[in-house]
Amino acid sequence: AQSVTQLGSHVSVSEGALVLLRCNYSSSVPPYLFWYVQYPNQGLQLLLKYTTGATLVKGINGFEAEFKKSETSFHLTKPSAHMSDAAEYFCAVSLGANDYKLSFGAGTTVTVRA
Amino acid sequence: KAGVTQTPRYLIKTRGQQVTLSCSPISGHRSVSWYQQTPGQGLQFLFEYFSETQRNKGNFPGRFSGRQFSNSRSEMNVSTLELGDSALYLCASSQDRPDTQYFGPGTRLTVL
Repeated sequence: AQSVTQLGSHVSVSEGALVLLRCNYSSSVPPYLFWYVQYPNQGLQLLLKYTTGATLVKGINGFEAEFKKSETSFHLTKPSAHMSDAAEYFCAVSLGANDYKLSFGAGTTVTVRA
Repeated sequence: KAGVTQTPRYLIKTRGQQVTLSCSPISGHRSVSWYQQTPGQGLQFLFEYFSETQRNKGNFPGRFSGRQFSNSRSEMNVSTLELGDSALYLCASSQDRPDTQYFGPGTRLTVL
C-alpha cells in the first residue's frame, strides 16, 4: 500500500517569495510521484511527475520537485511566487504499472499576498 | 486535442435517487479512472476501466458502479443516494498504465 502526507494545509507567501510545499510518501515499491494543482471549481492539472531517472523534475509554470529516496520526500518548489499560483496543490503517489490508482495527500492551499 | 470532458457539470438530487455521470476521455486514451473529492475525505479512488473491463476498484460500497463503452467513454452510477455522496466526482484518462492521468473538470453532485 502507499500513502502521502502533505505537511501544512495552508501556506501563505508574499508575491516574489519562495514557494515550498512539502510531501512525504510511503510505498512498498519504487513509487511514481506527482504534483497536481486545482483552481476553484476546476479539475486537477498536472504540474510535474517523477517516474524514473533524474531526481530533479521540472514542471510547468516554473515549478520543480526533487525526489529524495532516503528521505521519502518529493517537495515542490517555485523560486518566485506569482498571484496566479494561488490554488490548492496535491501530491500523489502510485505504484506505477503494479497498481495504477493515485493516492493523494490532503492538499495544501496556497495564498499569495501582494 | 480536446481534454477530458464530464457531463453534467452540476447535479442536484435527493436522497434515495440514483444518478449517472458521464466521462469522455482524451482521444486515444483507453484507461478511465474515477475519483471522489470531498472536504472530509479528500480525493479517493473509485475505480478504473480499460478496454471495457474494470481493472481496479477502491473501497466504496456496491452502490457505486461504472462501465466503459467500446469508444472508451465511461459512466459511473450511484444508486440510493445518501447525503454523504455529495462530492465532486472527477474522471481521469490515460493511454495505459503507468502513464499520466489527465483530469476532467468534474461533476459537482449535491444530495439533498
